[in-house]
Amino acid sequence: QSALTQPASVSGSPGQSITISCTGTSSDVGAYDYVSWYQQHPGTAPKLIIYDVTDRPSGVSSRFSGSKTDNTASLTISGLRAEDDADYYCCSFTSSSTLYVFGTGTKVSVL
Amino acid sequence: EVQLVESGGGLVQPGRSLRLSCAASGFTFYDNAMHWVRQTPGKGLEWVSGISWNSGHTGYADSVKGRFTISRDNAKNSLYLQMNSLRTEDTAFYYCAKEHSNSFQYCGQGTLVTVSS
Repeated sequence: QSALTQPASVSGSPGQSITISCTGTSSDVGAYDYVSWYQQHPGTAPKLIIYDVTDRPSGVSSRFSGSKTDNTASLTISGLRAEDDADYYCCSFTSSSTLYVFGTGTKVSVL
Repeated sequence: EVQLVESGGGLVQPGRSLRLSCAASGFTFYDNAMHWVRQTPGKGLEWVSGISWNSGHTGYADSVKGRFTISRDNAKNSLYLQMNSLRTEDTAFYYCAKEHSNSFQYCGQGTLVTVSS
């Protein structure tokens, strides 16, 4: 099971919007609406920010939104803030024996 | 407040065994599937294993199948990962995670496993 493909880095200025892509296959992202996104700051555990492609857990800012088209999922961060500077990972349920596959990770830099 | 506290990590030689534990609190443990997720220092995340609420279903990443065993004790609100035949590539931070709709809703702070001679 190969990792989902994400861009290595994305950057933006405060207030701007950025989008991170997450490309998989018809056996994972394209097959199920079980795509989730995680934010991770250095030295801390991953934090869930999107689940079921589009849903936000309680307490997560509405500036974070998710979508999916075919085999590619996307995370959009609107109104970029300094605290959004972090690593972001997507994850999908899969049809293989390895039930979940993560993305390669994207470093978001707020300029 | 949900709390997940992992323990049991450390330095171990290749081929040896280690058992990780995760103490859960702040939610109804027996109602939830649980997972182990790992992260090589400075690298990406990898799902390792998961177990259903009643231990009726378990799953493993191909990279650990046959070597790792996940288990839980609902009476003790605890999750475990027995790791045998450890390899250098198993070196990572191991996170215990509570599942919600096939996502990892909460993760603990992790425990570091270093496999080295």
